[in-house]
Amino acid sequence: GENVEQHPSTLSVQEGDSAVIKCTYSDSASNYFPWHKQELGKRPQLIIDIRSNVGEKKDQRIAVTLNKTAKHFSLHITETQPEDSAVYFCAARSYGNNRLAFGKGNQVVVIP
Amino acid sequence: DVKVTQSSRYLVKRTGEKVFLECVQDMDHENMFWYRQDPGLGLRLIYFSYDVKMKEKGDIPEGYSVSREKKERFSLILESASTNQTSMYLCASSGQTSGTDTQYFGPGTRLTVL
Repeated sequence: GENVEQHPSTLSVQEGDSAVIKCTYSDSASNYFPWHKQELGKRPQLIIDIRSNVGEKKDQRIAVTLNKTAKHFSLHITETQPEDSAVYFCAARSYGNNRLAFGKGNQVVVIP
Repeated sequence: DVKVTQSSRYLVKRTGEKVFLECVQDMDHENMFWYRQDPGLGLRLIYFSYDVKMKEKGDIPEGYSVSREKKERFSLILESASTNQTSMYLCASSGQTSGTDTQYFGPGTRLTVL
């Protein structure tokens, strides 16, 4: 099955700086890559996703890039704010599948 | 707005007890999922269902079973709870009415097995 890995496990950034989280996946047939954000004590929520026919997608301060050849995708957060502090999960879904394979999560800490 | 609810936020059970965790969604979603979340291990899929009375094993089904008698409800059953099943349990759903791919999560049930 699909295997997704996330790096680094913890990331600390100064407020206003950018944060980048990378994920790699194993199944070249994967075609859907969502990112979920989980704030402390809350449920994971989708913040952005990308499909395999697109290389980049942006939504205000967050963007996701996909490199199908290298089988990795990244989340970029610009002008970080304290409310960006959370655990971020990447995931991948293989073609024809209903299930997502999640990475282990990244703790992002934004230092005011 | 999709709503996924779980029967309890916190639950404390004794070793050997039978435990039922229930999840209900109100968006007529076909797909429902049960995950457990443990520190450093992320979200691990226990079971999922893509239709009423259908179920598929996820990555860690041992010690668990599920039931989906109605489309909106997906139950996770621990036949004989053990201390290593102490965890946060998250339910999620996805379906055609909200674009198929997006999974919507419930608030979670923190289960402690003593």
